[in-house]
Amino acid sequence: QKEVEQNSGPLSVPEGAIASLNCTYSDRVSQSFFWYRQYSGKSPELIMSIYSNGDKEDGRFTAQLNKASQYVSLLIRDSQPSDSATYLCAVINQAGTALIFGKGTTLSVSS
Amino acid sequence: SAVISQKPSRDICQRGTSLTIQCQVDSQVTMMFWYRQQPGQSLTLIATANQGSEATYESGFVIDKFPISRPNLTFSTLTVSNMSPEDSSIYLCSVSRRNTEAFFGQGTRLTVV
Repeated sequence: QKEVEQNSGPLSVPEGAIASLNCTYSDRVSQSFFWYRQYSGKSPELIMSIYSNGDKEDGRFTAQLNKASQYVSLLIRDSQPSDSATYLCAVINQAGTALIFGKGTTLSVSS
Repeated sequence: SAVISQKPSRDICQRGTSLTIQCQVDSQVTMMFWYRQQPGQSLTLIATANQGSEATYESGFVIDKFPISRPNLTFSTLTVSNMSPEDSSIYLCSVSRRNTEAFFGQGTRLTVV
């Protein structure tokens, strides 16, 4: 069974700073990785997907993947109070169908 | 992305009863899944809802407790049977294509008293 590990936090950053969220996974053959944001009382919403080594940027968000180290991260630049949420890292299961989630990192951005 | 409608959005149920949660998607999708999110926890996959055949359950989840139906490519139900307070969770319907991202319904917040 694949495992996904995240630091539960909370991670606290001031407004305008860079927030760095990290995730490691156990299955070396994993190919697809995702970051979701979940506000309290809401369902998860997809922020980024990444499939190949390197960086992928989308607005203020950058996902970084290092398959050799089995490590995926999410950087949030110019953090805003509205970014305060729980961020979930996920990988595809062995069947290539459903997602396996980490426990999530709670981010708090103070104004 | 698909629009996923889930109902009820919340319910308070007596222990020993059952609740059926419905998930409707606005387009045909191959894969539908049911997740559980216990208070303060992450998402745990309950089962894959297979169209026209029995659902595929993850370790720790059984059909007698969580029967699932999927009569077509746009609709599925999850029943939480013989409920106990430990079943109090958020239940989420999800859809995806193979090896790609998943999208979620708004969830059903279940409280068992």
